[in-house]
Amino acid sequence: GQNIDQPTEMTATEGAIVQINCTYQTSGFNGLFWYQQHAGEAPTFLSYNVLDGLEEKGRFSSFLSRSKGYSYLLLKELQMKDSASYLCAALDSNYQLIWGAGTKLIIKP
Amino acid sequence: SQTIHQWPATLVQPVGSPLSLECTVEGTSNPNLYWYRQAAGRGLQLLFYSVGIGQISSEVPQNLSASRPQDRQFILSSKKLLLSDSGFYLCAFKGLADTGELFFGEGSRLTVL
Repeated sequence: GQNIDQPTEMTATEGAIVQINCTYQTSGFNGLFWYQQHAGEAPTFLSYNVLDGLEEKGRFSSFLSRSKGYSYLLLKELQMKDSASYLCAALDSNYQLIWGAGTKLIIKP
Repeated sequence: SQTIHQWPATLVQPVGSPLSLECTVEGTSNPNLYWYRQAAGRGLQLLFYSVGIGQISSEVPQNLSASRPQDRQFILSSKKLLLSDSGFYLCAFKGLADTGELFFGEGSRLTVL
């Protein structure tokens, strides 16, 4: 079956760095997405990786290892507004998104 | 620019009542459209997707249905709601970028009592 695993909840301190991991098992693979979702709101796109390596976009970076079925989202210089759920989703061979349950990130002052 | 709107934002319905959630997209033509449901603590569950007018694919058998009467309009319906239909419903369209990222509507919070 197809499966996405990511931690349920993480806590970090304002100004620090946090890494949110995601492992996936899908029928075929056409890329890995990260979305941010604030409570009660719709998800918003953060990043897309299809090749191995690190993609950096400001304070956020995303890494992919296709051979390991693994990705992580790295958030630097954490701000209180980064408190949100972070959703990992893999695109399968049919170009359908398989979603993880999301990681709730709590930022403490 | 491409935009997506869905409504209503919040609704409380009794068991057995009908449902209609509406979603419209602007700034793009013939988009792929999606309805997702998000239950608390769970991932997004794809309910329906559509690649064109009148073309609906159902991913999960249930008492919900979807229709696409116009190119940029996508409707989620039910004739009789169940308690288990409660959740956060999201409409989305696939962007034009090669990445195929999804753009979501504001979401509709449904509570069935």
